[in-house]
Amino acid sequence: KNQVEQSPQSLIILEGKNCTLQCNYTVSPFSNLRWYKQDTGRGPVSLTIMTFSENTKSNGRYTATLDADTKQSSLHITASQLSDSASYICVVSAGGSQGNLIFGKGTKLSVKP
Amino acid sequence: DSGVTQTPKHLITATGQRVTLRCSPRSGDLSVYWYQQSLDQGLQFLIQYYNGEERAKGNILERFSAQQFPDLHSELNLSSLELGDSALYFCASSVYGTGGYNEQFFGPGTRLTVL
Repeated sequence: KNQVEQSPQSLIILEGKNCTLQCNYTVSPFSNLRWYKQDTGRGPVSLTIMTFSENTKSNGRYTATLDADTKQSSLHITASQLSDSASYICVVSAGGSQGNLIFGKGTKLSVKP
Repeated sequence: DSGVTQTPKHLITATGQRVTLRCSPRSGDLSVYWYQQSLDQGLQFLIQYYNGEERAKGNILERFSAQQFPDLHSELNLSSLELGDSALYFCASSVYGTGGYNEQFFGPGTRLTVL
């Protein structure tokens, strides 16, 4: 069964600290993996998209890694800011139609001053 | 601002009623997707349209239906509403209709409350 599991479910860190969010997937065939940031009550915003051949991708203070062999991805946030407080969603595409996008439940990150 | 617009922002209605949610995709995008997000739940894919045709179906109830018009805007119709239909409904759009590097851009959502 195609699944995307994220951990931790929630995380509280102090402003300025780094953190790493995890995503494990069992999706086949694999096309690409995406990380989205979703502020409370708003639509998700794409952070990164990685294909099978890419093992790291950065977007400012966000760096995503992908290990296609172990089917794991991580999202590292450097020097966190209060505005990083949001849910981070890992999404894996099995290619083909939209019906093959598998969503994780997200990690809720709270950055405290 | 993603360029995807959704109306209305908020909708409050009663059980048994019918509502219509509207979405305008980004200029140039041919695909529209609808998602439901209940409280503290992940995004659930409902349905996708590409250039006016239904492309993929997810966990969409029979009481729900959608269409995409020639000008590419889309409407999601929810009927015989139940309390459990209260959720955020998101629309997303993309240039293409199939996977690959097909990035989706999400609208701000419509918050539906069924009383």
